[in-house]
Amino acid sequence: DQQVKQNSPSLSVQEGRISILNCDYTNSMFDYFLWYKKYPAEGPTFLISISSIKDKNEDGRFTVFLNKSAKHLSLHIVPSQPGDSAVYFCAARTYSGNTPLVFGKGTRLSVIA
Amino acid sequence: DTGVSQNPRHKITKRGQNVTFRCDPISEHNRLYWYRQTLGQGPEFLTYFQNEAQLEKSRLLSDRFSAERPKGSFSTLEIQRTEQGDSAMYLCASSPGQESSGANVLTFGAGSRLTVL
Repeated sequence: DQQVKQNSPSLSVQEGRISILNCDYTNSMFDYFLWYKKYPAEGPTFLISISSIKDKNEDGRFTVFLNKSAKHLSLHIVPSQPGDSAVYFCAARTYSGNTPLVFGKGTRLSVIA
Repeated sequence: DTGVSQNPRHKITKRGQNVTFRCDPISEHNRLYWYRQTLGQGPEFLTYFQNEAQLEKSRLLSDRFSAERPKGSFSTLEIQRTEQGDSAMYLCASSPGQESSGANVLTFGAGSRLTVL
């Protein structure tokens, strides 16, 4: 039973345009969400997070939006750069910190120059 | 701070052999996690430690899998009598303790890739 779902396995975007990666979750107990980026032969690297008390968090070119009623979050990358090409994982946990991070299957982003 | 270190980076073994992976977390992190990632999937939680205490191990895939963190620093993940289905990337991560504002963010190592022939 996938509690965190990334329904798009891949996405291609032109350099300079916006990349939007989507994530849905089913567990209403989740209240902290993270995005990780993974390059080949490396471990996942933390990118940005959001608590359920917010609906938006921004860090430079990266913005995460959270819609709790829809149990949906999205990661926006503007402008997209070729170096952003990687696999992006959405992850969630309960804020108590006693539960492990649950990951989606990932979305492979390709930014085309 | 040299990050999370995992060894070996790649292990090829024959079915039925035992393998052990080592993880050295960030020194000031007292939580250590093991995940497994197979092709096309996200990281799958296996077990975690707070200092030397193993707080969750029910997700270990079978009784052939075991993990230790004897002195609350480095950790080992052992797989006994390996099977071809054990072929995967084994990821270690660490984080500060629950009392820290950074407790929710895991820092991952580069992983140890296991190939079982």
